[in-house]
Amino acid sequence: QITLQESGPTLVKPTQTLTLTCSFSGFSLTSSGVGVGWIRQAPGKALEWLAFIYWDDDMRYRPSLRSRVTIVKDSSKDRVVLTMTNVDPGDTGTYFCVYSHEVDYTDIFDSWGQGSLVTVSS
Amino acid sequence: QSVLTQPPSVSGAPGQRVTISCSGSSSNIGADYDVNWYQQLPGTAPRLLIYINTNRPSGVPDRISGSKSGTSASLAISGLQAEDEAVYYCQSYDINLSGAIFGGGTQLTVL
Repeated sequence: QITLQESGPTLVKPTQTLTLTCSFSGFSLTSSGVGVGWIRQAPGKALEWLAFIYWDDDMRYRPSLRSRVTIVKDSSKDRVVLTMTNVDPGDTGTYFCVYSHEVDYTDIFDSWGQGSLVTVSS
Repeated sequence: QSVLTQPPSVSGAPGQRVTISCSGSSSNIGADYDVNWYQQLPGTAPRLLIYINTNRPSGVPDRISGSKSGTSASLAISGLQAEDEAVYYCQSYDINLSGAIFGGGTQLTVL
């Protein structure tokens, strides 16, 4: 059974750096085609793909956030960490850690964590 | 504004059939990239409903189906039940973004 659990701060001040950790189990991030990453959802808004890291160390980022976001994996500890610098209130939302497998470039988001609500406010 | 366009809302009475459309372009669905669908119940994480256009994960009833044609895709739910009331999202890949894209979501209301 695949499980993913997000952890991190619930409140961050503008201009600060947000660090979120995803701890997962039930699969290996070294298995072919597998990816783990982050999708966020602002309150009352649609889902927004942010960043993913894959079994072969490939990393993909949302172009509009590329300068502020970094994703790294620690396969030995089954964790993926997202870092977002210089946050602003527009980054407020629920951040989901997601397991994916890729078929012909299209990620299939099979399993989701429960989500971590992050508020950016002074 | 989402790259994939969905109607904001649809509704139907119990037992009826509804469809939710997802309109894309030549840089995503029209470029022959697959479409997946997700269901999000209030206060919960999304759940995979349909993958690779027409396939259902185990546990998803066969009254739920997906299709794709040209630059669009559709999700159909027949035999509507109260438990189907949720927000539904389509998702694909976009060449210009070099990543996943989602529709704006469609609120399904069971009357």
